[in-house]
Amino acid sequence: QKEVEQDPGPLSVPEGAIVSLNCTYSNSAFQYFMWYRQYSRKGPELLMYTYSSGNKEDGRFTAQVDKSSKYISLFIRDSQPSDSATYLCAMSGSGAGSYQLTFGKGTKLSVIP
Amino acid sequence: EAGVAQSPRYKIIEKRQSVAFWCNPISGHATLYWYQQILGQGPKLLIQFQNNGVVDDSQLPKDRFSAERLKGVDSTLKIQPAKLEDSAVYLCASSLRAGSAGELFFGEGSRLTVL
Repeated sequence: QKEVEQDPGPLSVPEGAIVSLNCTYSNSAFQYFMWYRQYSRKGPELLMYTYSSGNKEDGRFTAQVDKSSKYISLFIRDSQPSDSATYLCAMSGSGAGSYQLTFGKGTKLSVIP
Repeated sequence: EAGVAQSPRYKIIEKRQSVAFWCNPISGHATLYWYQQILGQGPKLLIQFQNNGVVDDSQLPKDRFSAERLKGVDSTLKIQPAKLEDSAVYLCASSLRAGSAGELFFGEGSRLTVL
């Protein structure tokens, strides 16, 4: 079993739809949970960052972490064509020697005008 | 603020040839990372530097890959000899410090094709 599982998609939605992206993980030591967005032929950019369990909202984006289920989600409200990209979940532990990020494979999202 | 700079953006080589990639991190960022991203996969850490010392190179194929960060700023990643399976995007990233869990800033990557 891989440490981080993420459905690669592709996922295609109409403009204005609510998008739900998810990852599951197996390592209970993970404490930091991130979502990166990667446009075609570009490097990943940090979108959302959460520590431990709970929700975090930033504009149209909401990140949720459920450590009891080892499950994280990213919701995009009122999706726009500019949201079309690959979304990578990433996780790390806390404490010296455990900050290395483990990435999911990424989910490719297309928002159709 | 200037981002992470990488060059070259694209490189095509024959197998068994050598190649080198260069990275200039964000000014003041002490930690520098090289990641390998194979098509359809998430980035995989190859090596992490803290200033000019190696923190983690456990996933670096040391028989063919080498990396250095002289003077704690720029870094180069070299592959010699290249194999077909080395075809990937090589991403450089930097962060203020090693404990900046998740707050990495990536360059646009160097895309390598090995024929």
